[in-house]
Amino acid sequence: EVQLVESGGGLVKPGGSLRLSCAVSGFSFSNAWMNWVRQAPGKGLEWVGRIKSKTDGETTAYAAPVKGRFTISRDDSKNTLYLQMNSLKTEDTAFYYCTRRIAVAGTYYFDYWGQGTLVTVSS
Amino acid sequence: QSALTQPRSVSGSPGQSVTISCTGTSSDVGGYDYVSWYQHHPGKAPKLMIFDVSNRPSGVPDRFSGSKSGNTASLTISGLQAEDEADYYCCSYAGSYTFALFGGGTKLTVL
Repeated sequence: EVQLVESGGGLVKPGGSLRLSCAVSGFSFSNAWMNWVRQAPGKGLEWVGRIKSKTDGETTAYAAPVKGRFTISRDDSKNTLYLQMNSLKTEDTAFYYCTRRIAVAGTYYFDYWGQGTLVTVSS
Repeated sequence: QSALTQPRSVSGSPGQSVTISCTGTSSDVGGYDYVSWYQHHPGKAPKLMIFDVSNRPSGVPDRFSGSKSGNTASLTISGLQAEDEADYYCCSYAGSYTFALFGGGTKLTVL
């Protein structure tokens, strides 16, 4: 059974930092291109960023609103994805989901998702 | 780039069909056949329902179908069932700078 379990969410003050984790089981994590997607209260989904597999260079990409403040990393030995969030703003308040993107040319979609973890940025 | 445009809500009675639209631009929906649709029950993990415009993952009922014309993609749910009531999001690849754009979501109510 595929499982993606996010953790690490909570309440943080503006300007603060938080690190989210996503523990994965049920598929080959080391070969997966992993992404973070968020949903602010009452809003739609928003792609945050992704990290490729080590085989594909472990390169990262980020959405403009978080570029320079958020960092995605992975530990294949622990089957875990991370999202380091620095200089947090109130507009970063959201549920954060980890999701796998199929790493195959000629297709683009997210097939497995976690249930999300809530990050609240407030003074 | 702005989020893709979806109606905020749609509704239908059991057994009826509903269609949810997803409008983008030639830089996203119109430029690639990489539109996907996700069903989201609050508090649960989003679920992939359609990928690459019109393909269904295994396990998704054939009541769900997808299509695209120009800059607008559509998700049609036929033979509505009570368990179809959820939020639905479209997503499109938008190039190697923006990557993925999602719609604002559509709340489906089964009357």
